[in-house]
Amino acid sequence: DSGVTQTPKHLITATGQRVTLRCSPRSGDLSVYWYQQSLDQGLQFLIQYYNGEERAKGNILERFSAQQFPDLHSELNLSSLELGDSALYFCASSVDNGSGNTIYFGEGSWLTVV
Amino acid sequence: QKEVEQDPGPLSVPEGAIVSLNCTYSNSAFQYFMWYRQYSRKGPELLMYTYSSGNKEDGRFTAQVDKSSKYISLFIRDSQPSDSATYLCAKKAAGNKLTFGGGTRVLVKP
Repeated sequence: DSGVTQTPKHLITATGQRVTLRCSPRSGDLSVYWYQQSLDQGLQFLIQYYNGEERAKGNILERFSAQQFPDLHSELNLSSLELGDSALYFCASSVDNGSGNTIYFGEGSWLTVV
Repeated sequence: QKEVEQDPGPLSVPEGAIVSLNCTYSNSAFQYFMWYRQYSRKGPELLMYTYSSGNKEDGRFTAQVDKSSKYISLFIRDSQPSDSATYLCAKKAAGNKLTFGGGTRVLVKP
């Protein structure tokens, strides 16, 4: 158990809908990262937050957004869902913003868009 | 060309053999590399991280970085069936952004 908690574990929704994925980082970790894993694209970085502020952006679609709250949990919002958004979405956390080397992943949220 | 490349496998070995995994990268600026193990539909589990030069050993695992050939290697000694998983290498950019290879699937047969 990495200590990173993600909910829900599985989600099935229809095209055009909106979903919210939630992540609680490990105790004491200030950074939260979101990754998407699909069969064709592999594991790809989406976005990073550090202590409530956005720090880095990767291949995140405009239909997707995220935020980190004062209690450090994070949410990833996916809207206008398309079939191609079906993937495993992982949250990861680390203590600091860049100098550390230990980044721990949660178990993921499996999103299926039908 | 992808920044981090791995042979997708599967790599099949008998129990007790040494598993040898390789990863190539295309940008010499990176300093840190990680190896993660991922079981099917589970989250990646951090195994080891290494700097851009040198070796690191942790139990049955040894990670190496060869800067001249831009190779990152992971060796698993005395492999067990429980080592059957996908192994992902990643390089770390500033701010902890990780760029992953596609992963190599390993099968350890009893």
